[in-house]
Order: sequence, then structure tokens, then C-alpha cells
Amino acid sequence: QKEVEQNSGPLSVPEGAIASLNCTYSDRGSQSFFWYRQYSGKSPELIMFIYSNGDKEDGRFTAQLNKASQYVSLLIRDSQPSDSATYLCAVPRSGAGSYQLTFGKGTKLSVIP
Amino acid sequence: EPEVTQTPSHQVTQMGQEVILRCVPISNHLYFYWYRQILGQKVEFLVSFYNNEISEKSEIFDDQFSVERPDGSNFTLKIRSTKLEDSAMYFCASSVTGGGFTEAFFGQGTRLTVV
Repeated sequence: QKEVEQNSGPLSVPEGAIASLNCTYSDRGSQSFFWYRQYSGKSPELIMFIYSNGDKEDGRFTAQLNKASQYVSLLIRDSQPSDSATYLCAVPRSGAGSYQLTFGKGTKLSVIP
Repeated sequence: EPEVTQTPSHQVTQMGQEVILRCVPISNHLYFYWYRQILGQKVEFLVSFYNNEISEKSEIFDDQFSVERPDGSNFTLKIRSTKLEDSAMYFCASSVTGGGFTEAFFGQGTRLTVV
């Protein structure tokens, strides 16, 4: 069973601080990693993806990948109250022709004004 | 900006009834998916669909479930005889390509309540 694990939180950070969200995965063959944001009662919204080891930056978001440690993280700089949501880590199942995403349970982030 | 649209947004049905959930994927996307999320739980993969056939399905997607692309724009999920445990948010998603480097975009979801 391929697993994606996240700390469920809640993670509370003050406005303007850096929020750090972590995800570990069990499938060593995984090649790509996706971060989705999900507001309560809404659908997942893709915010970042990363394929290569190291950092990838997009605006206030930075994804970090360490395949050797099977670890991917998301940093949100200058956190805003509007960033308060559940952040889902998703990993495609490895193997030719596999299209399914395995999601973690998500980390609930609360940004305190 | 193109988006995946789903109808209805909320469906209430009696146990044992058939329901059809509808989705219009993004127009140039070729791969279509259904996921579900039971309240408070993970988003779970149900099925993927490409070239008018199922590419992959999970253990959840048993004989009670079926998918269809009846025309060039719609993609449907049918549950033949609903059970209480089918109550969940159902998300349709689509992507341009398939495989491990796919960026899948989700619709707003249909909340299915089985009573």
C-alpha cells in the first residue's frame, strides 16, 4: 500500500511568518509531487508541483524535494490569513500508465492576523 | 480561465436509488478522473478514463460504479444502487496528459448525501 503521510495539524502561524508543511511518501519510485490547497467544503486547488530534488519557488511558495529521504515540503512565506486552508500533498502512483494520485490527509494551516 | 464544471453541486438521494454525477472537463484535456472525499477523510482515487475507456480503477470502484463519456464534452459517474457509505464529495478532474507528470485540475465537486 503506497502511503502519503502528513501532520494533520492544525499548524498555527502569525500573519507574515513562514509556514512549513511537510509530507513523506513510501513509494521510492515516485517521480513527481503535487501540493494542493483545499478550503473547507471546496475542491483541491493545485498550487505547486515539483519533479527534481532541491527547491522550486513560485511567488510566496517554495516546494522542497529530497527523494533520498522521501520527503517533500511546502514553505509559504509572508503568510496571510487567506492562506488558512488544508494543504494536501499528492503523489502519482509509480509505474507505467498509472494516472492515480495518492493524497495525504492534509495539514490544516491557520494564519492568525 | 478554463475550469472543470460539475453538476449538480448537491444531490440528495434515497438508499438504493441510482444517481448520475456530471462533469464537463477542460476542453483540450484528454484524461478524466473521478475522486471522492468522505467528510474528514482523504481524497481517494476512483477511476481514470482515456480514449473512451477506463485506464485505471481503484478497489472502491466496484460494479456499482460506471463512467461514461456520452458526447464530446460530458463525463459522467453513475452509482447504480446507492448505499449510505457512498455519501461523500465527488470530484471530477481532468488533465492534458496522463502518467506521473500529470497536473490534474479539479472541479468544484458534487456533495452526494444518501439517506
